[in-house]
Amino acid sequence: GQNIDQPTEMTATEGAIVQINCTYQTSGFNGLFWYQQHAGEAPTFLSYNVLDGLEEKGRFSSFLSRSKGYSYLLLKELQMKDSASYLCAVMDSNYQLIWGAGTKLIIKP
Amino acid sequence: DVKVTQSSRYLVKRTGEKVFLECVQDMDHENMFWYRQDPGLGLRLIYFSYDVKMKEKGDIPEGYSVSREKKERFSLILESASTNQTSMYLCASSFLRDYQINIQYFGAGTRLSVL
Repeated sequence: GQNIDQPTEMTATEGAIVQINCTYQTSGFNGLFWYQQHAGEAPTFLSYNVLDGLEEKGRFSSFLSRSKGYSYLLLKELQMKDSASYLCAVMDSNYQLIWGAGTKLIIKP
Repeated sequence: DVKVTQSSRYLVKRTGEKVFLECVQDMDHENMFWYRQDPGLGLRLIYFSYDVKMKEKGDIPEGYSVSREKKERFSLILESASTNQTSMYLCASSFLRDYQINIQYFGAGTRLSVL
């Protein structure tokens, strides 16, 4: 079957760096997405990786290793507004998104 | 900015009622999707549509149907609501692009409680 695994919850301190991991097993691979979802709000697109390596976008970076079925989202200089759930999703061979359950990130002052 | 609007943020219905959840997008997207989101589970695809009057079953279509009479509007229908359909429902839309980044844009969600 298809499976996306990510930690349920993480806690970090304001100003610090946090890495949220995602491992996947899917039928085919057409890219990996990270979304941010604040409580009670819509998920919003953060990043997309289809080739191995690191994609940097401001304070957020996303890494992909296709051979290991592994990705991480790196958040630097954490701010209180970064408190949210972070969803990992893989696009399979049918171009459908398979979603992880999300990682709730708690930022403490 | 892309806007995906869901008609209700909160709904409370009784078991056996017919429930309509409406979703409208303003970006001329071909694709539209309905998901449900439950604690501890990833988003699960209920139905999707690539074009007007076209629909495809997702992973959990049982107990649901959909309607897409206009390109911008995609409705989810619970024919006879049951308590196990209590959930957060999310609508999304995207362009039909086979070989480019297929970003899905989401509405704010409808939290449905079936009593």
